[in-house]
Amino acid sequence: SSDLTQDPAVSVALGQTVRITCQGDSLRSYYASWYQQKPGQAPVLVISGNNNRPSGIPDRISGSTSGNTASLTITGAQAEDEADYYCLSRDRRGNPWVFGGGTKLTVL
Amino acid sequence: QAQLVESGGGVVQPGRSLRLSCAASGFTFSVYAMHWVRQAPGKGLEWVAVISYDGSKNYCGDSVRGRFTVSRDNSKNTLYLEMNSLRAEDTALYYCAREITLTTEPRESWFDPWGQGTLVTVSS
Repeated sequence: SSDLTQDPAVSVALGQTVRITCQGDSLRSYYASWYQQKPGQAPVLVISGNNNRPSGIPDRISGSTSGNTASLTITGAQAEDEADYYCLSRDRRGNPWVFGGGTKLTVL
Repeated sequence: QAQLVESGGGVVQPGRSLRLSCAASGFTFSVYAMHWVRQAPGKGLEWVAVISYDGSKNYCGDSVRGRFTVSRDNSKNTLYLEMNSLRAEDTALYYCAREITLTTEPRESWFDPWGQGTLVTVSS
């Protein structure tokens, strides 16, 4: 089981806004990073640290943190955003790093 | 451009051993901590192991501790994962990834890039 909790599945209509959340005590001490994984491909970093986007990641993707919850927001979702999304954080208990269980995003 | 390429995966019988490699290029390998992450078929990502930039510190996750060992050879720009006493539940795609941690803000850390993965199948 994961110490970071994500909703298993979320759907969004094309062009609408969707928020994917990641909840866990470690997020009170460390920032989450977010990864997008499409079928048959390796994970790709989309948000690092305090809402930083690597080059090549569209600005419709953003991140935020409040308390023990990190959020990934896609504003104006596109078909190519359909993927699995994972959060990652350091942890002071148990394993030093932990992934969320992942959220499957469907764009309708 | 930073790149990681894993190799060494294959089909192995339960109880046997396997060593994975991860070849790094395009960046100064010796200054970064490195990680192994795995993904069982149809499942999510699971953190497996980390090793410090100089190899002096390493740590494996609960599910593999005592059976897996992470090491590195900075002269060869290569990361390794030695897997012993393999079990069916170790069947997964194994990725290596570079850790980036801001020296000015240690709370900010992430993995980038990732390799394409190497598949390990434990089956009799």
